[in-house]
Amino acid sequence: GNSVTQMEGPVTLSEEAFLTINCTYTATGYPSLFWYVQYPGEGLQLLLKATKADDKGSNKGFEATYRKETTSFHLEKGSVQVSDSAVYFCALTTNAGGTSYGKLTFGQGTILTVHP
Amino acid sequence: GAVVSQHPSRVICKSGTSVKIECRSLDFQATTMFWYRQFPKQSLMLMATSNEGSKATYEQGVEKDKFLINHASLTLSTLTVTSAHPEDSSFYICSAPPTGAVNTIYFGEGSWLTVV
Repeated sequence: GNSVTQMEGPVTLSEEAFLTINCTYTATGYPSLFWYVQYPGEGLQLLLKATKADDKGSNKGFEATYRKETTSFHLEKGSVQVSDSAVYFCALTTNAGGTSYGKLTFGQGTILTVHP
Repeated sequence: GAVVSQHPSRVICKSGTSVKIECRSLDFQATTMFWYRQFPKQSLMLMATSNEGSKATYEQGVEKDKFLINHASLTLSTLTVTSAHPEDSSFYICSAPPTGAVNTIYFGEGSWLTVV
């Protein structure tokens, strides 16, 4: 089956600090990988994605590289802001183009708090 | 861009009553939609796969008679929580991959259900 493991949180940083949130996965088939962000009281927003090995997804200063050899998709940002405080979820889906595509397996989520 | 609309965003109901949550794709068709449940400070757990024109597929441990899913058209799926109890209080969120579009998955805004 599919599974996603995220680094345990919560993570607390000062503004402008470097952020890394680790994510590793196991998958049956070739997965597409995603990072979603959830702000307090809101739904999920897609932050970035990568669909094949060595692809780098990026958005709003966040980056993650699809590493097949280490089955990882770590999220990084060079300089975090207070507004980045949220919960971050790593997720995957397999069977692209198939009937079960879109069925996401989520990691446990990592709470990020950024202080001024 | 593509949007998935979920309604209501918040609902409070009495124990024993039923509540219907709608998930609607606004500008694309979705043969399949997915329903997730999120408890406070926890990750998202897939409840069921909603299939247009056929029965939903439920994940292990999810009571299909309690969580009724109807996917009546290519743009609408509904989740009905029947005979709701306080333990059903949770955040419910749907997602939809546009039919024929790979690597694209949109989420609704989510629905907060409180059963009193």
